[in-house]
Amino acid sequence: QPVLTQSSSASASLGSSVKLTCTLSSGHSSYIIAWHQQQPGKAPRYLMKLEGSGSYNKGSGVPDRFSGSSSGADRYLTISNLQSEDEADYYCETWDSNTRVFGGGTKLTVL
Amino acid sequence: EVQLVESGGGLVKPGGSLRLSCAASGFTFSSYSMNWVRQAPGKGLEWVSSISSSSSYIYYADSVKGRFTISRDNAKNSLYLQMNSLRAEDTAVYYCARVSGGTPDYWGQGTLVTVSS
Repeated sequence: QPVLTQSSSASASLGSSVKLTCTLSSGHSSYIIAWHQQQPGKAPRYLMKLEGSGSYNKGSGVPDRFSGSSSGADRYLTISNLQSEDEADYYCETWDSNTRVFGGGTKLTVL
Repeated sequence: EVQLVESGGGLVKPGGSLRLSCAASGFTFSSYSMNWVRQAPGKGLEWVSSISSSSSYIYYADSVKGRFTISRDNAKNSLYLQMNSLRAEDTAVYYCARVSGGTPDYWGQGTLVTVSS
């Protein structure tokens, strides 16, 4: 079963960019992942599905400021032109034939 | 517009039972796999269970296997989670989620389950 590792926190200034990282465990570097955003007190929201090639497909209504990329076992979520509403927890997630795994989440603070 | 509305949460004593429901609308419910995902207070997301579109394939996290049962009624556009032998560690907000292309692409607003004496 894959394991996803995320930094517990990140911060960046309003209007700047930030790159969040999700690392797949050994032997699972080819897995597709998804990124989900959870604003304070709200339900999670699907952002995108991201392949090992770096190709990604965003969910409905996700702003262009959100993009994804990959390198080896690392999957990235980049948020450009940070807005106050981007302050949230960000979870990566992947799945196998009979299970689904979430990373521990990264709490993003917009300064 | 896709909508998922959970209900059935509440306060229950350890060892008790609860049945959660998720009413789906805005899409062809019978064409999609569905998941339950939970979040304990102040913690991250934890997958609970999956069910395929026709209920042919059902999976559970080890933490709930043998105690929880997922089911669906495609005629009623509804997803269910029967939770038995509840423990304090089952306290969480429970979300239902539609699965498309392998991942949850729409989430409900969640329902809170509190297991306490």
